[in-house]
Amino acid sequence: SQTIHQWPATLVQPVGSPLSLECTVEGTSNPNLYWYRQAAGRGLQLLFYSVGIGQISSEVPQNLSASRPQDRQFILSSKKLLLSDSGFYLCAWRRGNGYTFGSGTRLTVV
Amino acid sequence: GDSVTQMEGPVTLSEEAFLTINCTYTATGYPSLFWYVQYPGEGLQLLLKATKADDKGSNKGFEATYRKETTSFHLEKGSVQVSDSAVYFCALSDRDASGNQFYFGTGTSLTVIP
Repeated sequence: SQTIHQWPATLVQPVGSPLSLECTVEGTSNPNLYWYRQAAGRGLQLLFYSVGIGQISSEVPQNLSASRPQDRQFILSSKKLLLSDSGFYLCAWRRGNGYTFGSGTRLTVV
Repeated sequence: GDSVTQMEGPVTLSEEAFLTINCTYTATGYPSLFWYVQYPGEGLQLLLKATKADDKGSNKGFEATYRKETTSFHLEKGSVQVSDSAVYFCALSDRDASGNQFYFGTGTSLTVIP
């Protein structure tokens, strides 16, 4: 079956600490993968998308980076978190004209 | 550019009340339209979609009709239940260099009380 996994579900990190959120997809090959962020009171914002291994496109300049080390793995990272990085992060996999989303990670930077 | 404008919340309704959440869009092409739902503690789930004008998407008693003349995709349900309490996102998908780009509204929080 085709599924998408994202972890951790919740994370509390101090300002200045590093971040690594992982997303993996099962049951497909060469998927288009996306990282979105939902900040409080705002809609979903596309952060990064990837059409293949090592291929990353950034939509919004920010304190974050993404990597695609394997076909079905997409990682969101930061070297030093800011308070403004707090939010709900969603990994998504584009399937045809629709998306399948991961369960999300709620990140609180303190 | 493309955008989605969604009715602001929060919305509080009594069980069995009628629900409407307004959504209008701006798009340069011929987008597909979606409603996503986020239940407490969970990720986004596709609720329904419509891919062309006059299409009606429906699921779990929810409906939305793609109205090109009014650029709208309002979400409706005739009788809400407590289990419908969630955040609802209107979204459009349009084609760009990445293949498909998604644009989301800000979300509308719905609370249904018994």
